[in-house]
Amino acid sequence: ILNVEQSPQSLHVQEGDSTNFTCSFPSSNFYALHWYRWETAKSPEALFVMTLNGDEKKKGRISATLNTKEGYSYLYIKGSQPEDSATYLCFSYLGTDKLIFGTGTRLQVFP
Amino acid sequence: SQTIHQWPATLVQPVGSPLSLECTVEGTSNPNLYWYRQAAGRGLQLLFYSVGIGQISSEVPQNLSASRPQDRQFILSSKKLLLSDSGFYLCAWSFIGEGTEAFFGQGTRLTVV
Repeated sequence: ILNVEQSPQSLHVQEGDSTNFTCSFPSSNFYALHWYRWETAKSPEALFVMTLNGDEKKKGRISATLNTKEGYSYLYIKGSQPEDSATYLCFSYLGTDKLIFGTGTRLQVFP
Repeated sequence: SQTIHQWPATLVQPVGSPLSLECTVEGTSNPNLYWYRQAAGRGLQLLFYSVGIGQISSEVPQNLSASRPQDRQFILSSKKLLLSDSGFYLCAWSFIGEGTEAFFGQGTRLTVV
């Protein structure tokens, strides 16, 4: 992988469902992996920064894991709520200074 | 505390007109600065980044340019806008180096008509 990629591109779930999505990144020269929550026309909001292989971070119903050896991170949302609807972005540094975002996973939670 | 200002928030410009979007950072020195764009239905695309005054790296060949005349000022410009330049533009900064959070401006919604 030479870029940061996210899947799926979009996800529709019912309120109360749990869901997860993936961020894949180059495993060589890994520095850090960041997850952001982004509502259209607003600034992205930081969720997690992950640096160590095996890292697990949690904030409320949202958690994330990191596998630097194989180059992926999972974001989990337990018991999705309509207010969780947003685009979830991950980014990583490719090289020292180039900050590259994945294309995002757009989550819609229906009541 | 560090803050980032980006303006204007919205802009409607005719095809062929020039563009200037400005981003300034307060409360930090020598940050990495970035310009991103989200076109309709697509993700965030890195357009330019800068690691210092006068140092600009371009990621996507197009009719846009960027300049960094001062340490904490990053400007996105175009001499002649195209319809395809429409989108949501975000400015961001981070500390030089890795493993650090990025901070974002409020964004500019540009519509070229």
